[in-house]
Amino acid sequence: GAGVSQSPRYKVAKRGQDVALRCDPISGHVSLFWYQQALGQGPEFLTYFQNEAQLDKSGLPSDRFFAERPEGSVSTLKIQRTQQEDSAVYLCASSPTYNEQFFGPGTRLTVL
Amino acid sequence: ELKVEQNPLFLSMQEGKNYTIYCNYSTTSDRLYWYRQDPGKSLESLFVLLSNGAVKQEGRLMASLDTKARLSTLHITAAVHDLSATYFCAVGRRSGGGADGLTFGKGTHLIIQP
Repeated sequence: GAGVSQSPRYKVAKRGQDVALRCDPISGHVSLFWYQQALGQGPEFLTYFQNEAQLDKSGLPSDRFFAERPEGSVSTLKIQRTQQEDSAVYLCASSPTYNEQFFGPGTRLTVL
Repeated sequence: ELKVEQNPLFLSMQEGKNYTIYCNYSTTSDRLYWYRQDPGKSLESLFVLLSNGAVKQEGRLMASLDTKARLSTLHITAAVHDLSATYFCAVGRRSGGGADGLTFGKGTHLIIQP
């Protein structure tokens, strides 16, 4: 079956631009997670949704980062006024239970 | 704050040899995960360990969990080149059930040479 999909796969932004990253979870998965992976590092947790409710946003690095999942399916991670330190791969994962998370291919964001 | 430490961070080994990757974590957790990541790719789930003493095996990889020692190991038996990748362990940020985000180690970059 279809896995987690993310778009775009690559995004280049000029510093100061706003970007929106999309995640389509596996159908029926209640939980959705966003992670940020810097080059050569492990993923770092950003935020977590259960259906449309954002239950944990403690990992969002600043108020420039905003995530939503209005209908409990597709999610969007928005970054306002991008900075060079935002350059990373943004990974989305979904889960049917609390036991296992399935990751998408990621969006590689480069801020110039 | 939950911290997850892996060692070694880099490992070069020959085909046919055995080796173990270690994962220590700092606070109580009842869920530990192992993932594999190939260059430029996303994370592939290898094992989910949910209880003390849990042991799981898939092919040449075996993972175990000791919650009292806060230690998990990933053992590689008779390594083959196809196992070259970066391996991450990750721990649930909260104990007591319920979904939540994971805290990852820095990863072990494994190179297996002929």
